[in-house]
Amino acid sequence: QVQLVQSGAEVKKPGASVKVSCKASGYTFTRYAIHWVRQAPGQRLEWMGWINAGNGNTRYSQKFQDRVTITRDTSATIAYMELSSLRSEDTAVYYCARDSNWSLYWGQGTLVTVSS
Amino acid sequence: DIQMTQSPSSLSASVGDRVTVTCQASQDITNYLNWYQQKPGKAPKLLIYDASKLETGVPSRFSGSGSGTDFTFTISSLQPEDIATYYCQQYDNLPLTFGGGTKVEIK
Repeated sequence: QVQLVQSGAEVKKPGASVKVSCKASGYTFTRYAIHWVRQAPGQRLEWMGWINAGNGNTRYSQKFQDRVTITRDTSATIAYMELSSLRSEDTAVYYCARDSNWSLYWGQGTLVTVSS
Repeated sequence: DIQMTQSPSSLSASVGDRVTVTCQASQDITNYLNWYQQKPGKAPKLLIYDASKLETGVPSRFSGSGSGTDFTFTISSLQPEDIATYYCQQYDNLPLTFGGGTKVEIK
């Protein structure tokens, strides 16, 4: 069955970067895009960007354009999301999600805490 | 960006009640709308896609309707396991955007 397993929780200091991984299994990795969505405490879900796992093309939300990088390793079937210049407002659960005609099938989430 | 306005933000209903949630888009999104269920501490789960199509394996008490800018999500007979927060999501345009969520509780 389709599974997306994300890396574990992270604690980072302001100004640092974090890289979250998303291991995909149960389907042909290169056939589906992967999205990254975050959920800050008490806030709505917020789309950050996506990657075409086949050709590696990416598209980012303007809000994160300068700070986020989404990549993938097709041989390992892993997608990555790196967010730089972290600030306290970036404390959130970060989700990867597989795209299927714009419907999202989600990983379990990774809590990133930004604190000095 | 397309703004998604969801209401109510929370509701309390009895087991067996009919529950309705609305989602309004800031512009015409045709039927490019999904509904998700999120239980505490869990990832969202797709329930409805293309505004009204039931995802495989989802109970038939869940339904969706609407097109253009106004959409409705309904639970025909609320069950204890339906306690969750429900979100709409548009995919007419990037960035994908979500409603603010509706927290459903049992009275």
